[in-house]
Amino acid sequence: SYVLTQPPSVSVAPGQTARITCGGNNIGSKSVHWYQQKPGQAPVLVVYDDSDRPSGIPERFSGSNSGNTATLTISRVEAGDEADYYCQVWDSSSDHLVVFGGGTKLTVL
Amino acid sequence: QVQLQESGPGLVKPSQTLSLTCTVSGGSISSGSYYWSWIRQPAGKGLEWIGRIYTSGSTNYNPSLKSRVTISVDTSKNQFSLKLSSVTAADTAVYYCAREGIAVAGPGSFDYWGQGTLVTVSS
Repeated sequence: SYVLTQPPSVSVAPGQTARITCGGNNIGSKSVHWYQQKPGQAPVLVVYDDSDRPSGIPERFSGSNSGNTATLTISRVEAGDEADYYCQVWDSSSDHLVVFGGGTKLTVL
Repeated sequence: QVQLQESGPGLVKPSQTLSLTCTVSGGSISSGSYYWSWIRQPAGKGLEWIGRIYTSGSTNYNPSLKSRVTISVDTSKNQFSLKLSSVTAADTAVYYCAREGIAVAGPGSFDYWGQGTLVTVSS
């Protein structure tokens, strides 16, 4: 089955840029979606189809995807961005299975 | 604004069947433009997709749970449901229902989620 690998944690100072990676075999050929989850809350979609933002998501959130790595970039990080972030794809090779990465805890220092 | 709301028992005994329902408001589950999924998250852990259903009733399940999972839809009530049989403590988790878009190439992203409901498996 397809595996997505994320770093367990990323730390960044306010105002700096955070980059969260999501590794997978030839992930560049898939559409990657990113979710933000704050404690006690449901996940929220922040980037879909590699680099598109849903309505209401700040432009500070952006995404890219190439080769074996997809990246969520958060510019001008704010304290409110502290959360868990998950990447997600669907695996066409196995019954349209949905695969989530293990999640990355973003800490704002 | 689409809203999803999970409902069902918060406590299930081991070996019994977990049953949850997701009620969709602000949009029709029969629209044909979306899949409807269940996702769970054990405390302190990541997200695990359980399965999805389309308005036609066709389903896809996570292979790791397939033998124990049934997802069904009731379009007259704008609801879809999850049944997970032979539960153990390992099935204790927050269970979310979510709407999944349908892209040109296949399933899309989960754009709307329920608030989640905690189900504890314990005697």
